[in-house]
Amino acid sequence: NAGVMQNPRHLVRRRGQEARLRCSPMKGHSHVYWYRQLPEEGLKFMVYLQKENIIDESGMPKERFSAEFPKEGPSILRIQQVVRGDSAAYFCASSPGLGFYEQYFGPGTRLTVT
Amino acid sequence: AQKITQTQPGMFVQEKEAVTLDCTYDTSDPSYGLFWYKQPSSGEMIFLIYQGSYDQQNATEGRYSLNFQKARKSANLVISASQLGDSAMYFCAMREGFAGANSKLTFGKGITLSVRP
Repeated sequence: NAGVMQNPRHLVRRRGQEARLRCSPMKGHSHVYWYRQLPEEGLKFMVYLQKENIIDESGMPKERFSAEFPKEGPSILRIQQVVRGDSAAYFCASSPGLGFYEQYFGPGTRLTVT
Repeated sequence: AQKITQTQPGMFVQEKEAVTLDCTYDTSDPSYGLFWYKQPSSGEMIFLIYQGSYDQQNATEGRYSLNFQKARKSANLVISASQLGDSAMYFCAMREGFAGANSKLTFGKGITLSVRP
């Protein structure tokens, strides 16, 4: 049973470009969480999605950031017009759903904005 | 107020000795869960141990145990018989409410542990 997959593992973008980060949850998991880790910091919650629904986006910046989890395919975190402050590690975690407490984390995507 | 507080500076421990990593938390929700994750230099997040607020006994997982003191709102991680591979960053995290509708985790800033041979 493959774990949570994230790609790319490393992504370099110039200021103003778009970044697309992908997350494939573990098989059978329908809940996905995105977290951001700035250098020397803990992880900060961004958004929680179920298939085709955004459940909680209270941690998402108001502009330039969006997330989706379509019926088919991976969850996508999209950052438009990236700025240097977006440089961070972005982690995806998945969970089977209600009643399960554990979140299984992917290896993360390291985004560098030059 | 910070929901999860990890204030220890970098920690050092001799191989084969035990070490305690501190974590205090703040919540008014009677139902919550506490987690510890390990992040080695390779960057992945590895789940170590979980403690539910209603669990009567302290959680244990192999060499890891959680010293849960509910009245003090502390959830310290104890690593016994430290190994060189335990050198990593350790994060304490909390989920408020029942595991269900929204289980987002709130993380502390982490503690760096270095194991000396």
